[in-house]
Amino acid sequence: AQTVTQSQPEMSVQEAETVTLSCTYDTSESDYYLFWYKQPPSRQMILVIRQEAYKQQNATENRFSVNFQKAAKSFSLKISDSQLGDAAMYFCAYRSALGSYKLIFGSGTRLLVRP
Amino acid sequence: EAEVAQSPRYKITEKSQAVAFWCDPISGHATLYWYRQILGQGPELLVQFQDESVVDDSQLPKDRFSAERLKGVDSTLKIQPAELGDSAMYLCASSSFDMSSYNEQFFGPGTRLTVL
Repeated sequence: AQTVTQSQPEMSVQEAETVTLSCTYDTSESDYYLFWYKQPPSRQMILVIRQEAYKQQNATENRFSVNFQKAAKSFSLKISDSQLGDAAMYFCAYRSALGSYKLIFGSGTRLLVRP
Repeated sequence: EAEVAQSPRYKITEKSQAVAFWCDPISGHATLYWYRQILGQGPELLVQFQDESVVDDSQLPKDRFSAERLKGVDSTLKIQPAELGDSAMYLCASSSFDMSSYNEQFFGPGTRLTVL
């Protein structure tokens, strides 16, 4: 069975600085997707960025980028130029490329942004 | 912008009572998911529908939970009887079904259940 681990329950960053959230996963599959979701307080979860396992190039979406290390089964999220609106819970998630499309989530990292 | 709708947003009930949650997915989305998110944890899939058929309910406590999506559109999740341990956020998500795409899941705002 696949598992996702987020070892940082909470992180803090100064506004305009850069922060990296860590995620590791375990799977025996070779083809899968990895995601980072953001869950602001009392608001719905939204997709921040995704990575296809077959792609070697790290995904980038504006201020958000990932460091995907397939052999190490590591998938970290870097947020550059942090903004107050980035404060939220961040969840790392895994999805198989075959079979069920269910997402397997980590336990989340709460990101605090200091003004 | 199309969104997943859920109601109610908050529900307080006493243990042994019945509760029901409703979800209306984004129009045209064939796949619907119910997740449970216990405080301090990530969401966990309870049940997944493809149109009106259940494709995964392996983590659904079937002795007290039931889910239906009769016409392949909106869905209802029911708990009877509710237990203290059922207190959680219940999230609904939907996605299209396209073999050539990664089929992003879009989440609703959730229903926060408190069982007293």
